[in-house]
Amino acid sequence: DAGVIQSPRHEVTEMGQEVTLRCKPISGHDYLFWYRQTMMRGLELLIYFNNNVPIDDSGMPEDRFSAKMPNASFSTLKIQPSEPRDSAVYFCASSFSNGELFFGEGSRLTVL
Amino acid sequence: GENVEQHPSTLSVQEGDSAVIKCTYSDSASNYFPWYKQELGKGPQLIIDIRSNVGEKKDQRIAVTLNKTAKHFSLHITETQPEDSAVYFCAASFNDYKLSFGAGTTVTVRA
Repeated sequence: DAGVIQSPRHEVTEMGQEVTLRCKPISGHDYLFWYRQTMMRGLELLIYFNNNVPIDDSGMPEDRFSAKMPNASFSTLKIQPSEPRDSAVYFCASSFSNGELFFGEGSRLTVL
Repeated sequence: GENVEQHPSTLSVQEGDSAVIKCTYSDSASNYFPWYKQELGKGPQLIIDIRSNVGEKKDQRIAVTLNKTAKHFSLHITETQPEDSAVYFCAASFNDYKLSFGAGTTVTVRA
């Protein structure tokens, strides 16, 4: 398997624009996670899904953030409208139940 | 919620020496403690984990110890090599999924 695949790897956008980050989890994994990494706050769990259903979104910073998982092989994290403080590396990760968490290589977002 | 503190924030060791990173956690219900290694431009990768029913676990040059009474756990890397240079994160969880991460330790192995 190719591992967790994220796109885009880098995104530069202007404040107010909509940003969509995409993730393809490892085939067969039934858990999917979105994390955000910044120097100030480290690695933060934003939301996670089990069998495509959102289980805990308490880490989503505000209503500008939304995440969907329409099927077992695809998830999106959307920010609308984006702000400079959203600049970070966003990681998607997937796992089996009680299994190792596999991270993608991340999407580096810069909001000007 | 769970709060994980990690020390030191940076660590420089001579090749061949040992490196030790320490973490403390706040939630006594936590029962799963993984360690991740993150190389530049990559996502974190699990290197070893331990559950609360075990006090120590070893995998070649790396080992993790857990003291549930004191709520702290440590990562030990022996015979360090240049490829051990990376950022290391500890984490804690009570349900395997909602991991709380430490702030990370940047390890530099000097040749």
